[in-house]
Amino acid sequence: GQNIDQPTEMTATEGAIVQINCTYQTSGFNGLFWYQQHAGEAPTFLSYNVLDGLEEKGRFSSFLSRSKGYSYLLLKELQMKDSASYLCALGPGAGSYQLTFGKGTKLSVIP
Amino acid sequence: DSGVTQTPKHLITATGQRVTLRCSPRSGDLSVYWYQQSLDQGLQFLIQYYNGEERAKGNILERFSAQQFPDLHSELNLSSLELGDSALYFCASSVAPGVGETQYFGPGTRLLVL
Repeated sequence: GQNIDQPTEMTATEGAIVQINCTYQTSGFNGLFWYQQHAGEAPTFLSYNVLDGLEEKGRFSSFLSRSKGYSYLLLKELQMKDSASYLCALGPGAGSYQLTFGKGTKLSVIP
Repeated sequence: DSGVTQTPKHLITATGQRVTLRCSPRSGDLSVYWYQQSLDQGLQFLIQYYNGEERAKGNILERFSAQQFPDLHSELNLSSLELGDSALYFCASSVAPGVGETQYFGPGTRLLVL
């Protein structure tokens, strides 16, 4: 099976940097996704890591370490509109095609 | 806008009833996924179709069924509804059910069972 842990809630200040961690246990997966979800809206794709290391995309970066079962999402120059839930998801593994989502981290950005 | 459409946006019904949720994938996507999101459970995978055929089943109750039609739209049927079925139901699509394929989510259907 698969198990994903993320902090339930975080608060950060506008303009700051925040790191959202995700730890997981799995028997196998091909990559790790991060999605952003505003309250009541659809999850939107942010990033995908298949290899260990850092992937940078504008203000957002995502890191993966397979040996440590660990990933993080780094958000820089926080804006009020970044207040949302951030979902870590394990990509398909052997014989499966679905994503397995963590429960998400609700980020509140304050002035 | 992801390009995935879902109808209806909101649905209010009573226990014991049956409802149908509809999803149209992005143009060119052959794979459709259904997820249920409730406050305490997060996003739970229900079922996946690829080009009209069922490919994978997750935590889908026997009271729930789905299908994907030749035009690639999909329907999720929920029957004998219970209060606990109240949730957001999302459809997602991808080009194919392969490794690394990003899933794009529709706006969801909010179901309230009274």
